[in-house]
Amino acid sequence: GESVGLHLPTLSVQEGDNSIINCAYSNSASDYFIWYKQESGKGPQFIIDIRSNMDKRQGQRVTVLLNKTVKHLSLQIAATQPGDSAVYFCAENILSGGYNKLIFGAGTRLAVHP
Amino acid sequence: ETGVTQSPTHLIKTRGQQVTLRCSSQSGHNTVSWYQQALGQGPQFIFQYYREEENGRGNFPPRFSGLQFPNYSSELNVNALELDDSALYLCASSADRGNYEQYFGPGTRLTVT
Repeated sequence: GESVGLHLPTLSVQEGDNSIINCAYSNSASDYFIWYKQESGKGPQFIIDIRSNMDKRQGQRVTVLLNKTVKHLSLQIAATQPGDSAVYFCAENILSGGYNKLIFGAGTRLAVHP
Repeated sequence: ETGVTQSPTHLIKTRGQQVTLRCSSQSGHNTVSWYQQALGQGPQFIFQYYREEENGRGNFPPRFSGLQFPNYSSELNVNALELDDSALYLCASSADRGNYEQYFGPGTRLTVT
């Protein structure tokens, strides 16, 4: 079936450290993979995406790595800050029947300690 | 902020009742998708509307229905509410049905008692 899962449900890091959030996916037909950040009481907020024909993409303090061989996705956050504390979701985009839908994993909670 | 708004913010209903949730898409966006997010889980795709027609649907029963209006705003209707319908309902808009970039609203928290 279709699923996007995460290896670690909770990740605690010290402020200033780097964070790595991992995700496994199962659908080979995905054309884009997206990382979202969701703070309490808010909807998911786009962080960064990567096309399926890429291995790595960098943004401001964030890097996404895609390993299609093992169907693995990771989000790296450099110099983690208290404002990064949130739940992070990976999602795969499926284009089928003329429409796009996102398949989300269960999420990883990132807790940043001072 | 994404420019996607939803109302109401919170809602409490009784099992068996019906509910309507509303969403205004980001300016210029003609496609709206709805997602259900149970507590502690990732959002699950319900359906998508494009130019006032249902464009795609996830694994949700027919008692979940929707509408899209000429201004591209949308409604999600749920009939015969069940306790398991308690969740955060998220609306996301995109510029076009072929565009994968979706911008989410803050959601409506529905509690069914």
